Amino acid sequence: GEDVEQSLFLSVREGDSSVINCTYTDSSSTYLYWYKQEPGAGLQLLTYIFSNMDMKQDQRLTVLLNKKDKHLSLRIADTQTGDSAIYFCAESTGWGKLQFGAGTQVVVTP
Amino acid sequence: DTAVSQTPKYLVTQMGNDKSIKCEQNLGHDTMYWYKQDSKKFLKIMFSYNNKELIINETVPNRFSPKSPDKAHLNLHINSLELGDSAVYFCASSRASQGLGANEQFFGPGTRLTVL
Repeated sequence: GEDVEQSLFLSVREGDSSVINCTYTDSSSTYLYWYKQEPGAGLQLLTYIFSNMDMKQDQRLTVLLNKKDKHLSLRIADTQTGDSAIYFCAESTGWGKLQFGAGTQVVVTP
Repeated sequence: DTAVSQTPKYLVTQMGNDKSIKCEQNLGHDTMYWYKQDSKKFLKIMFSYNNKELIINETVPNRFSPKSPDKAHLNLHINSLELGDSAVYFCASSRASQGLGANEQFFGPGTRLTVL
């Protein structure tokens, strides 16, 4: 089974906010990450949060971390069609070993 | 310009064959990785090398053998291919093998392997 869990699908209208949720299991993870995968491409690091933070904002992206519940979320403001992709949550378990969730497919509709 | 490149992009082959996938990075990174992404998009690490030394070796059949001739290259050789090996294989690299530098990984475009 997977140690990092995400919902599989999210549909959102252009201009609305998207919220993608993730739960992880390793409380010792120092960093938590969001990667984006566009069709036919490799993963691209979007943003990350250090485990002693509870929020990080980076332009249209806001990451929220609830360490007690081991819950991570990514909010995308003003979602655009170019944001359609699969979004992977990942926790680091040391030595560059990233444990990925199954990915959330985000579909942006006009 | 390409940061992490892989060849070939597509590979279709018969069961039992031996094949290789090549990966090169021009970012000057010390660490490289191989991941396997299955049909459900689940991504799992297979191997990592730091300066040509094996760091991570997950539970992968020994039919899979990575080779790192130098720190800019990490190739993946697969012997006696099986149907279950069909997947997309991603190469990645990072500055370091520990800490934030290890987890900011740059991915190649992937190699879609289909075993018939």
